[in-house]
Amino acid sequence: GAVVSQHPSWVICKSGTSVKIECRSLDFQATTMFWYRQFPKQSLMLMATSNEGSKATYEQGVEKDKFLINHASLTLSTLTVTSAHPEDSSFYICSARRSGEYQPQHFGDGTRLSIL
Amino acid sequence: ELKVEQNPLFLSMQEGKNYTIYCNYSTTSDRLYWYRQDPGKSLESLFVLLSNGAVKQEGRLMASLDTKARLSTLHITAAVHDLSATYFCAVDTNTGNQFYFGTGTSLTVIP
Repeated sequence: GAVVSQHPSWVICKSGTSVKIECRSLDFQATTMFWYRQFPKQSLMLMATSNEGSKATYEQGVEKDKFLINHASLTLSTLTVTSAHPEDSSFYICSARRSGEYQPQHFGDGTRLSIL
Repeated sequence: ELKVEQNPLFLSMQEGKNYTIYCNYSTTSDRLYWYRQDPGKSLESLFVLLSNGAVKQEGRLMASLDTKARLSTLHITAAVHDLSATYFCAVDTNTGNQFYFGTGTSLTVIP
């Protein structure tokens, strides 16, 4: 169990467009979901933490108006990169976590975003 | 600010050899995770270490945790090419709500 599906896996689009990435927990309810960004050959950087039904908590330096996060249900969170520019090109990974102590994070397969 | 550092950052080793990757962290936490990442892929969970002195083994990999020293190790025994990947350790806060990843160790096993 504990499968997290992320969609799409790869997207290429022109500068100025908005891109939505979905993260779904397929076989469990995820009270908390996390969004990470990873540049080539670097570690994962936490962008924001979202709890179902409440506003996301963004890490310092992450623009909340640029990266819109919605966690409308216990199985779905979305990240929308608004007016994307080439510097937003990156590998975005979501993870989901059940409620309770010591629950591990389960990771999606990631979305490779390329902005031309 | 919580810091998680791994050592080494890059590692190239021959098949059949042993080596240890170290993960140091700067705050109190009883929970440490090890992940594997293949190029272009997401993270695969390897180990979850939940207490001081915890030791877990899976195949040629063994992970341990010393919470007093704030140190975890990932030991590779008789490396094989299939182990080539990037390995990350991660620590979460005592609330369990935030993960902090180490810098990563890129491992290449040479046949």
